[in-house]
Amino acid sequence: EVQLVESGGGLVQPGGSLRLSCAASGFSFSSYWMTWVRQAPGKGLNWVATIKQDGSEKYYVDSVKGRFTVSRDNAKNTLYLQMNSLRVEDTAVYYCGRMQEASEVDCWGQGTLVTVSP
Amino acid sequence: QSVLTQPPSVSAAPGQKVTISCSGSSSNIGHDYVSWYQQLPGTAPKLLIYENNKRPSGIPDRFSGSRSGTSATLGITGLQTGDEADYYCGTWDDSLSAFVFGTGTKVTVL
Repeated sequence: EVQLVESGGGLVQPGGSLRLSCAASGFSFSSYWMTWVRQAPGKGLNWVATIKQDGSEKYYVDSVKGRFTVSRDNAKNTLYLQMNSLRVEDTAVYYCGRMQEASEVDCWGQGTLVTVSP
Repeated sequence: QSVLTQPPSVSAAPGQKVTISCSGSSSNIGHDYVSWYQQLPGTAPKLLIYENNKRPSGIPDRFSGSRSGTSATLGITGLQTGDEADYYCGTWDDSLSAFVFGTGTKVTVL
């Protein structure tokens, strides 16, 4: 069974940092693009970042460029999102997802909540 | 602000049909495959349609997708109470080098 499990969310003050992890199982992790998508409370889906199978290509939404870094460890079947200089507007549930050639997200984790508040 | 525009809400009685539009541009819908996602209340999104009109295994044929030019449409026939959810379109935007989601549409079964 394909499974994605996020962890690392929590409450952090503005300007702080958090690292999210996404543990993958049930598929060949190194064969897929992976992505992070977030959803602010009561709002729609917003794509955050995507990384190619070998980490050679990374893409970010403008609002997180220079603050967030997506990475992966194919030996550990784990996707990461390092979030620095966090802002109140980064408050959201963060989902990791498996992508088919950066075209669609065909598998989603359950999400982890990040709250940025003074 | 999303580059893909959807109606905020649609509604119909059980058994009826609804369609949800997704309007974009030549750099996104007009350039790459469109996918659709269903998000039931309090749950993670789920892939409903990929490559404009294909259904993943387990998705009933009551759900259909199409694309024409810079717009895409999701159709749901035989509407059921269990279809009440938020629906999002998504695609890659070549100009932005970013994946973009639509604004989302809430489906209500009357």
